[in-house]
Amino acid sequence: AQSVTQPDIHITVSEGASLELRCNYSYGATPYLFWYVQSPGQGLQLLLKYFSGDTLVQGIKGFEAEFKRSQSSFNLRKPSVHWSDAAEYFCAVSTGNQFYFGTGTSLTVIP
Amino acid sequence: DAGVIQSPRHEVTEMGQEVTLRCKPISGHDYLFWYRQTMMRGLELLIYFNNNVPIDDSGMPEDRFSAKMPNASFSTLKIQPSEPRDSAVYFCASRNAGGSQPQHFGDGTRLSIL
Repeated sequence: AQSVTQPDIHITVSEGASLELRCNYSYGATPYLFWYVQSPGQGLQLLLKYFSGDTLVQGIKGFEAEFKRSQSSFNLRKPSVHWSDAAEYFCAVSTGNQFYFGTGTSLTVIP
Repeated sequence: DAGVIQSPRHEVTEMGQEVTLRCKPISGHDYLFWYRQTMMRGLELLIYFNNNVPIDDSGMPEDRFSAKMPNASFSTLKIQPSEPRDSAVYFCASRNAGGSQPQHFGDGTRLSIL
């Protein structure tokens, strides 16, 4: 069965520090993987996606993610976090018709 | 380009009343999804449509919930009668066909049932 696991419910980082949010997926075929961000009171916004080719993908707002098939992971990274990055982050896998979302990681950024 | 448009943004009503949430997907998108988000249960898929046809409604909580898509540019999610436990943020999303296509979300409807 398809599933997505985000092991960290909540992460706190200092502004300017680097960030890595973890995502593990379970899917038998080649996955289509996505990261979304949700700011308070808003819908989910696409940060980046992976579906083939280069395993390091660049997204908006300075984010990147690396697909590692051997580890079934698709971790999100940012070298220097800004206060405006505080939000909820969701990883998702697409099977073609449906999306399966993780439970999300809440990011707090301290000055 | 206009994104997914949901209305109303906020709805407050008393239990027992009928509630109708509306969604206009992005033009040309073949798939439309309805989600519910709560603190306790996170993001739940309620139902999705492909070319206006409901494909999977297994996430619809009970018969009080119904969804329709009369045409490619409009969908509704109805709750009748509403109950306090239906209070949540309801999102609509749409996307093109193809597994690599992302879903595009509306800003949601925050529903409060008193």
